[in-house]
Parts: sequence; C-alpha cells; structure tokens
Amino acid sequence: GAVVSQHPSRVICKSGTSVKIECRSLDFQATTMFWYRQFPKQSLMLMATSNEGSKATYEQGVEKDKFLINHASLTLSTLTVTSAHPEDSSFYICSARVAGVYEQFFGPGTRLTVL
Amino acid sequence: AQSVSQHNHHVILSEAASLELGCNYSYGGTVNLFWYVQYPGQHLQLLLKYFSGDPLVKGIKGFEAEFIKSKFSFNLRKPSVQWSDTAEYFCAVHNAGNMLTFGGGTRLMVKP
Repeated sequence: GAVVSQHPSRVICKSGTSVKIECRSLDFQATTMFWYRQFPKQSLMLMATSNEGSKATYEQGVEKDKFLINHASLTLSTLTVTSAHPEDSSFYICSARVAGVYEQFFGPGTRLTVL
Repeated sequence: AQSVSQHNHHVILSEAASLELGCNYSYGGTVNLFWYVQYPGQHLQLLLKYFSGDPLVKGIKGFEAEFIKSKFSFNLRKPSVQWSDTAEYFCAVHNAGNMLTFGGGTRLMVKP
C-alpha cells in the first residue's frame, strides 16, 4: 500500500515552454501533498505544500507564479513549471500523506531538462 | 529555523564492514525522525522511523538507528554492509510545524 506515482518520469522541453507534472496517490487519499526539488548531488528541498481544495503554501524563495500547484482531488496534485528555463532543470519529487499521519510517501520523481 | 546535518557526504566501505552515518538536528521541540534511502535510479524509500518509545529503532534490511535526545542525534547503523547497500541515505526530521526537513544526504559506496 501507500504508493505514489508521478508522470512523466522524464521530460525534455524547450526554454519558454510550460511543463505539467502529475502526482497521484494510488491506493490512499492524500489530504496533503508536497513538492520537492533535488538538484544533482544535493538534498531534497521543499518547494511547496498543498492541501486538497486550498491554495498551496510556498517555501521562501519559490515563485508561486512560476511553479503552479493544483491539488484538485484527494489523489491528484499537479505542478506546472511555467516558462521553463534551463536553470529549472532538476529532479522534482512529490510526496503525499494522510491527515494525522506524519509519514510521507514519495513518488519516483520527474527529471526535467530544459534546453 | 530547523536544520538537519549529515556529517559524512561520501562514505566508502568494503563488504562486511560496519556502518554508522551521523545525523544531527537543531530543533528543541518534539520531533519525528526518519531515515530514507535512495538507490541509484530509484525513488526514496523509508528505512526506519522514530516517533516515540524505545530510542533504538530497527528498520528494514538490517538497519537500525538510535535517537539520543540530549545530543539531538539520530545516527544510522548497520553491523555488516553489503554491496547492495550502495545508495544515498537521507536523514529527515519532522517537527510540530508540519515540515519535513532533509539532511544533505550521504552517498555510500560498498566495494565488493
């Protein structure tokens, strides 16, 4: 149980385009989903926290207009990188948890390369 | 702000050697502690977690960790590593503010 999927697993796009990444909890309802970014050889950095049906809370330094997060249902959250630039190239990882449970379950990540 | 430090960035061991990876955090309140492992090309997997009770926690694949509150530490140990333990290991701390903070990670390479 507690499986989280992400789609796509890899994406390559041109600079200036927008990319949408999906995060799904497959066998549980996730009241909260988290989006992390992991640069090469670095740790995971929390970008934002999203609760189903409400606006996401962004960490300091993360542009909310650039990284659009939608958590429309208890099993799906999306991250849209708008007007992507090469510096946005990174590994994006989502996680999900159930209300009242501290443990987060992580997706396999999406590797974004912006040319 | 809460921070998590992993002292060893890279560790190289031979098979059967013992492993200890350090993790310290800087939060004075109640915390929940985690160790995650990321095998090459794979996603994060939970190795073990501490919420309360016995400070010596046993996880999967023979790993264990000890929570020492006075030292703000949660070191990961394994008595005898295998080549298949080659991976990156992350310590993470969850505080009452609902935030999970990761350490910088430790890359472990086990030589066969």
